Amino acid sequence: DVKVTQSSRYLVKRTGEKVFLECVQDMDHENMFWYRQDPGLGLRLIYFSYDVKMKEKGDIPEGYSVSREKKERFSLILESASTNQTSMYLCASSSQGTSNQPQHFGDGTRLSIL
Amino acid sequence: QKEVEQDPGPLSVPEGAIVSLNCTYSNSAFQYFMWYRQYSRKGPELLMYTYSSGNKEDGRFTAQVDKSSKYISLFIRDSQPSDSATYLCAMSANFGNEKLTFGTGTRLTIIP
Repeated sequence: DVKVTQSSRYLVKRTGEKVFLECVQDMDHENMFWYRQDPGLGLRLIYFSYDVKMKEKGDIPEGYSVSREKKERFSLILESASTNQTSMYLCASSSQGTSNQPQHFGDGTRLSIL
Repeated sequence: QKEVEQDPGPLSVPEGAIVSLNCTYSNSAFQYFMWYRQYSRKGPELLMYTYSSGNKEDGRFTAQVDKSSKYISLFIRDSQPSDSATYLCAMSANFGNEKLTFGTGTRLTIIP
């Protein structure tokens, strides 16, 4: 089974702090994604990556950056946290090529910015 | 108008009933359709995925796609209290490395 692990389930930070959310997958997947999930808005894509050191903007990248130094790890960075970034953050991964599979998700990090 | 529309519910049905969950979409390029189940305080879990039009069955679950109407459905037979969750539809034009477009989810409760 695919395992996508997010480092924290719950996180509380203050406005202006730099926040790091970590995600690790154990299936050697090429693709990794970061979403945020808000009531009434569903899942919205922040950033994604198809390969190490690669990144692409999603639908709502403003205020965020990402890092992918190793294939199994994809980090989301809130450069200067603001209260409107309070949300559930979900990481996902998927494979490419002949074994294409849909995205598999971690259990999320519920982030509160005070 | 959103690309994918999904009734948020909540939907409550008695145990054993047949449940029908639906999504409509506007982008005719979508070819791959997925249903995810999300329990409270957990991440979405892939239930089923289908390509193009037609039906796919897996145990008590049936996914149906009607591309001509831009309408997809998930049917749950003999519903159980453990089926209580939020169900998300998702779709894409390609597979694997293509970003998904999600519905907002339907919250389902099965009443024992």
